[in-house]
Amino acid sequence: KNQVEQSPQSLIILEGKNCTLQCNYTVSPFSNLRWYKQDTGRGPVSLTIMTFSENTKSNGRYTATLDADTKQSSLHITASQLSDSASYICVVTSTGTASKLTFGTGTRLQVTL
Amino acid sequence: GAVVSQHPSRVICKSGTSVKIECRSLDFQATTMFWYRQFPKKSLMLMATSNEGSKATYEQGVEKDKFLINHASLTLSTLTVTSAHPEDSSFYICSGGQPNTEAFFGQGTRLTVV
Repeated sequence: KNQVEQSPQSLIILEGKNCTLQCNYTVSPFSNLRWYKQDTGRGPVSLTIMTFSENTKSNGRYTATLDADTKQSSLHITASQLSDSASYICVVTSTGTASKLTFGTGTRLQVTL
Repeated sequence: GAVVSQHPSRVICKSGTSVKIECRSLDFQATTMFWYRQFPKKSLMLMATSNEGSKATYEQGVEKDKFLINHASLTLSTLTVTSAHPEDSSFYICSGGQPNTEAFFGQGTRLTVV
């Protein structure tokens, strides 16, 4: 069964600090892995998308890594801002299921003063 | 990047009435769009896959007669919650995009049935 697990479930950090969110998946065959940011009451917004051959990808203060061998990904947020407070969702696509996405349960990040 | 516009963002309806939610792809043609439901603090749950010009494909446990999906054009898919009940209250999100590239999500619709 395709699964995506994220950790931690929730996280509180001080503004300006860095943090790293984890994503482990068992989706096979693998097509790509995406990280989304979802503000409360809004739809998810894409941060990064990585295919099998990509190890790292950055989008501003967000840097995602992918280890396809261990089936792990991380999202590193640098110099956090209050506006980074949101849920971060890891989503994996399988080539076998074409357009269907397997969603992680998300990490709820709160950035405080 | 591509944009998916979802409307309305919030709706309150009386129990027993029907509510239609629209999902439009603004700058790309979406032959396939997806409808999700999300409960508080939970992940998105796929309800159905909407295919332009053909019947939607529903996930197991989703009542197709209750959640009517229409995808009459390449830029518009609609989800109608028929005979809504309080337990249908939820956050509904649509998405569109190519299978192995970006998936663009709508802004979501908060449905409250009273």
